[in-house]
Amino acid sequence: EVQLVESGGGLVKPGGSLRLSCAASGFTFSSYSMNWVRQAPGKGLEWVSLISRSSNYIYYADSVKGRFTISRDNAKNSLYLQMNSLRAEDTAVYYCARDRGYCSGGRCYSTDFDYWGQGALVTVSS
Amino acid sequence: EIEMTQSPATLSVSPGERATLSCRASQSVSSNLAWYQQKPGQAPRLLIYGASTRATGIPARFSGSGSGTEFTLTISSLQSEDFAVYYCQQYNNWPPWTFGQGTKVEIK
Repeated sequence: EVQLVESGGGLVKPGGSLRLSCAASGFTFSSYSMNWVRQAPGKGLEWVSLISRSSNYIYYADSVKGRFTISRDNAKNSLYLQMNSLRAEDTAVYYCARDRGYCSGGRCYSTDFDYWGQGALVTVSS
Repeated sequence: EIEMTQSPATLSVSPGERATLSCRASQSVSSNLAWYQQKPGQAPRLLIYGASTRATGIPARFSGSGSGTEFTLTISSLQSEDFAVYYCQQYNNWPPWTFGQGTKVEIK
């Protein structure tokens, strides 16, 4: 059974830092790109960042570029999101999500997100 | 960046009735569109990918159609467990991967 379990959420002051983790199990973690997606209270879904299976490709939403860093440790089946210079507008539930993706002709393509964790709440407030 | 627009924002439907949700892309996304269901306090769940392929374990009452810029999610006969918020997402042009703002399906 595929499982994704986030941890590391909490209350942090504006300008502070937090590191989220996502522990994966039930599948070959190193074979999939992974994402972070967030949801502000009462709002919709916002994609935050993607990291490819070997960390060769990393993408960020403009709203977090330069402040957030995504990483992974395939030996530990773990995904991370280092969040610095946090702002009130970063307050949200953060989900890790597996990218169903595929590779063809030497290129890999992102698709939909087929498994999601339960989420970690990050609150940025003084 | 491709903008996804869902309509209506809220859909009131009686159990057993048919629900039709719409999603429009600001430019063509081919068939690279997914639908997700989210219940209160839960993570999103993948329902449909490739605009019309049901994900594993998704009941046949859920169906997706469309291509290009216009897409539809149909729930043929609403069950109590189907009342939720539904999001569409494009994965044709990325980054970023973009979601619609959601359609809430509520009990009439």
